[in-house]
Amino acid sequence: GAGVSQSPSNKVTEKGKDVELRCDPISGHTALYWYRQSLGQGLEFLIYFQGNSAPDKSGLPSDRFSAERTGGSVSTLTIQRTQQEDSAVYLCASSPRRADYEQYFGPGTRLTVT
Amino acid sequence: DQQVKQNSPSLSVQEGRISILNCDYTNSMFDYFLWYKKYPAEGPTFLISISSIKDKNEDGRFTVFLNKSAKHLSLHIVPSQPGDSAVYFCAASVNSGYALNFGKGTSLLVTP
Repeated sequence: GAGVSQSPSNKVTEKGKDVELRCDPISGHTALYWYRQSLGQGLEFLIYFQGNSAPDKSGLPSDRFSAERTGGSVSTLTIQRTQQEDSAVYLCASSPRRADYEQYFGPGTRLTVT
Repeated sequence: DQQVKQNSPSLSVQEGRISILNCDYTNSMFDYFLWYKKYPAEGPTFLISISSIKDKNEDGRFTVFLNKSAKHLSLHIVPSQPGDSAVYFCAASVNSGYALNFGKGTSLLVTP
């Protein structure tokens, strides 16, 4: 079946501009996660959505970052007033509720802020 | 503060031999550990996991060992195959929860 998809695959933006990154999770998966991987670093947890519950935003690095999940499916990660340190690969993952830790990742969006 | 550490950025192994990838952690609250495998331009894929109540879990050619007293786990691949060449990430969670803490990864190269 179809895996997690993300768009765009690459995004180059100027410092100060806003960007939106999209994630389509696996159909039927109730949990959705965003991570980012900066150069030479491990994956860093950003935010978690589970069904209709309030999201866990504890990993968001600043208030310039926000995310929505519409209709319990597609999610959008928005970064406002991008900074060069926001340059990273942003990964989305989903999982069935019964196994939150076995997460299925998308290919990621490589964001470059110039 | 990196709570999951993979101190070897790269490892090269001959085909047919054993690959051993190591991972150390600092948070004693971690109770579930996972290994993910990542090919270039793809997202990580789940490989194998282990609960803190066990010290070994095996799945085909892949075995994960957990030493809680040393806060150390390792992934053994036997025999190694060229298709195993990828970046391997160690990850851990508290209360088997969703916020995974990842290491920086070890790049494995299996040579023919």
